[in-house]
Amino acid sequence: AQSVTQLDSHVSVSEGTPVLLRCNYSSSYSPSLFWYVQHPNKGLQLLLKYTSAATLVKGINGFEAEFKKSETSFHLTKPSAHMSDAAEYFCVVSDRVENFNKFYFGSGTKLNVKP
Amino acid sequence: DADVTQTPRNRITKTGKRIMLECSQTKGHDRMYWYRQDPGLGLRLIYYSFDVKDINKGEISDGYSVSRQAQAKFSLSLESAIPNQTALYFCATSGPPERGTEAFFGQGTRLTVV
Repeated sequence: AQSVTQLDSHVSVSEGTPVLLRCNYSSSYSPSLFWYVQHPNKGLQLLLKYTSAATLVKGINGFEAEFKKSETSFHLTKPSAHMSDAAEYFCVVSDRVENFNKFYFGSGTKLNVKP
Repeated sequence: DADVTQTPRNRITKTGKRIMLECSQTKGHDRMYWYRQDPGLGLRLIYYSFDVKDINKGEISDGYSVSRQAQAKFSLSLESAIPNQTALYFCATSGPPERGTEAFFGQGTRLTVV
């Protein structure tokens, strides 16, 4: 079975400083991995996804994530935080089960950006 | 217009009442899902469906039922709501189970059971 661990429930950074949101996964094979963002009172928006091509994945709004198989990690980074990045972020692993992709969510990391 | 639309967006109901949450999609996807979000727990799968004849329980289906009225419509019912079903509910769709297929989410329904 798949599982996802987001190592920090809350992260606080100052505007203009780097962001690091950590995610570890367990999977019996090479997984598909995703990061979604949820702004307050909004749905979930896909930031980026890893599908076994390049290990460094670029997403929207300047976010990147690096797949490290040896560390079973898929950490999300951004060089310079913006106030609009304040949101909750979810790391997700998907698993094919019969005729479906099932999506397994981490518990989320709330990012606070200070002026 | 949103690809995945949930109604209502917010609902307060009393313990013991029956309530239905509705979801419709214009993505043309066969696969639809209902998730529940609780603080600190991420999203957990309630039910999922391939078509009107295919309904599958997720990890937390107790106390819930679903109906797939058409390819585009998937509703979630609480037959007798209880306070611990207070949560944010999301409907989602996805395409064929290929590598990298993502899920598309609605805006969510915030349900409060008092």
